[in-house]
Amino acid sequence: DSGVTQTPKHLITATGQRVTLRCSPRSGDLSVYWYQQSLDQGLQFLIQYYNGEERAKGNILERFSAQQFPDLHSELNLSSLELGDSALYFCASSRDQGAHNEQFFGPGTRLTVL
Amino acid sequence: AQSVTQPDIHITVSEGASLELRCNYSYGATPYLFWYVQSPGQGLQLLLKYFSGDTLVQGIKGFEAEFKRSQSSFNLRKPSVHWSDAAEYFCAVGARFETYKYIFGTGTRLKVLA
Repeated sequence: DSGVTQTPKHLITATGQRVTLRCSPRSGDLSVYWYQQSLDQGLQFLIQYYNGEERAKGNILERFSAQQFPDLHSELNLSSLELGDSALYFCASSRDQGAHNEQFFGPGTRLTVL
Repeated sequence: AQSVTQPDIHITVSEGASLELRCNYSYGATPYLFWYVQSPGQGLQLLLKYFSGDTLVQGIKGFEAEFKRSQSSFNLRKPSVHWSDAAEYFCAVGARFETYKYIFGTGTRLKVLA
């Protein structure tokens, strides 16, 4: 158990809908990262937050957004969902914001868009 | 910008045989280097990491990796594979001076024959 929790575990929804994925980092970790893992794209970095502020952006679509709240939990919002958004979404956390930090991964949320 | 290549998509070895998983990176300086393992249905777990110093790094579960600057490689090795090592292995590169994000390789899926 990494100490990172993600809810829900599974999510099934329809095209055009909007969903929110939630992540609680390890106790004491200030950085939260979101990743998308799909069969054709592999593990793609989406976005990083540190202590409530956006720190780095990867291949995140404009339909997707994220935020980190004062209690350090984070939410990833996916809107106008398309079939291709079906994937496993991971949240990770680390103590600090630098790239030298070990990232601890949650178990993921499996999103299925029908 | 940094990038990382894992040339082998699938590797099959017999239990008890030695293992080497390849990872090559591209970056202007020495990056931070990581190997993660993902068991089926699980999140990623850090096996080992390299920042500087001794180029042979020991990790958990009997794994080691060697950083070779001249070859821009960070290959993962294990002298004797166990059936429980069957999983997907990801090499990751963290930029030392630019951004805070990791870049993950496409992964190598390891199958272990009894």
